Amino acid sequence: DGGITQSPKYLFRKEGQNVTLSCEQNLNHDAMYWYRQDPGQGLRLIYYSQIVNDFQKGDIAEGYSVSREKKESFPLTVTSAQKNPTAFYLCASQRGGANYGYTFGSGTRLTVV
Amino acid sequence: KNEVEQSPQNLTAQEGEFITINCSYSVGISALHWLQQHPGGGIVSLFMLSSGKKKHGRLIATINIQEKHSSLHITASHPRDSAVYICAATINQAGTALIFGKGTTLSVSS
Repeated sequence: DGGITQSPKYLFRKEGQNVTLSCEQNLNHDAMYWYRQDPGQGLRLIYYSQIVNDFQKGDIAEGYSVSREKKESFPLTVTSAQKNPTAFYLCASQRGGANYGYTFGSGTRLTVV
Repeated sequence: KNEVEQSPQNLTAQEGEFITINCSYSVGISALHWLQQHPGGGIVSLFMLSSGKKKHGRLIATINIQEKHSSLHITASHPRDSAVYICAATINQAGTALIFGKGTTLSVSS
């Protein structure tokens, strides 16, 4: 079955370390997104990509980086510059265009220790 | 002020009750989405609508474009409906990324 796979489900990071969250989809979707969720807040957009080798900053891109070398993959790196990285991270994909629905991954919970 | 607002923030119900969750938005939208998030965190898309009404099983979603308002209804609620329900919109002139409401936490007891 087609879907989005996020890994790992839980991730612990020491302060000062970079970590990379994986997001893979086999839906042949053009667009992919990374969102961050904090308690009591709506999901906020970190980065998005509408086509391979192109991506755009979202509302809270500082301290994060992404790449889109393959259509299927959109990894997110949380760098040491992100001052408050503990959060739930969700990846989503979409066929492309505002009239198509979204598919979401199961998320990665990142905790700084 | 958020562009997408939901109410109520929390909702408790007895099994069998009719549930309504409301969503209002302040800008032009291309589409309105209702999503369900279970305790594990994964999100499932329930509805995407740009006009009128959609129904799937016991779930009904409506949207009033003129009033910039949408509702999600659950008929004959069941404990398995307990989850966070999230309203999200694709905003005109904002590409295809979603703008999310803060979610409504629903708890249905038997």
